[in-house]
Amino acid sequence: GAVVSQHPSRVICKSGTSVKIECRSLDFQATTMFWYRQFPKQSLMLMATSNEGSKATYEQGVEKDKFLINHASLTLSTLTVTSAHPEDSSFYICSGQGSTGTDTQYFGPGTRLTVL
Amino acid sequence: ELKVEQNPLFLSMQEGKNYTIYCNYSTTSDRLYWYRQDPGKSLESLFVLLSNGAVKQEGRLMASLDTKARLSTLHITAAVHDLSATYFCAALGRSRDFNNAGNMLTFGGGTRLMVKP
Repeated sequence: GAVVSQHPSRVICKSGTSVKIECRSLDFQATTMFWYRQFPKQSLMLMATSNEGSKATYEQGVEKDKFLINHASLTLSTLTVTSAHPEDSSFYICSGQGSTGTDTQYFGPGTRLTVL
Repeated sequence: ELKVEQNPLFLSMQEGKNYTIYCNYSTTSDRLYWYRQDPGKSLESLFVLLSNGAVKQEGRLMASLDTKARLSTLHITAAVHDLSATYFCAALGRSRDFNNAGNMLTFGGGTRLMVKP
């Protein structure tokens, strides 16, 4: 199956700093990429959907100025958590989807963010 | 808006027993997925169900879909300890942004399965 990578896998940062997470589709072109957040013992919550070359669509309650998403190419999307605070500590998972819209989403391995 | 509910949320069972996890969704969906998640890990795809009456089996797990009832089940046969994990169902629905080519997944709350030796 298709492979999606995320980098870094784990990051610890101080409160107030910004953190960038990369999501790459390694062997397919991801027209659409999704970013999810998962708090401990909870389900995955969709944060935003991004199409290559377009602005991301954010879900209700997700601050677009705090969670900056860039989908500059068909194989790379980035999520930047700006001015991170301890409540942003979470497991962030991206997924990539091909061009037909009903294609399976391929999930990355996730990034564990801890904000001190 | 598509909503997905799973039950039970937590399941403790003995090895060798059978059990079923239920996944209800609120509106028409094109596809129904089942995933497994181990602690600290991302999602592992188990099944994708495409049509009414679809049944798929892999080892001790069997998934089925009833689109009329908007219900999918994940049946565990003769559970073993290695099946201990959290299982999620997810339904594929249309993105709220109609300019967005991608269709979004809505996840159920997850079922945390613990199989005791």
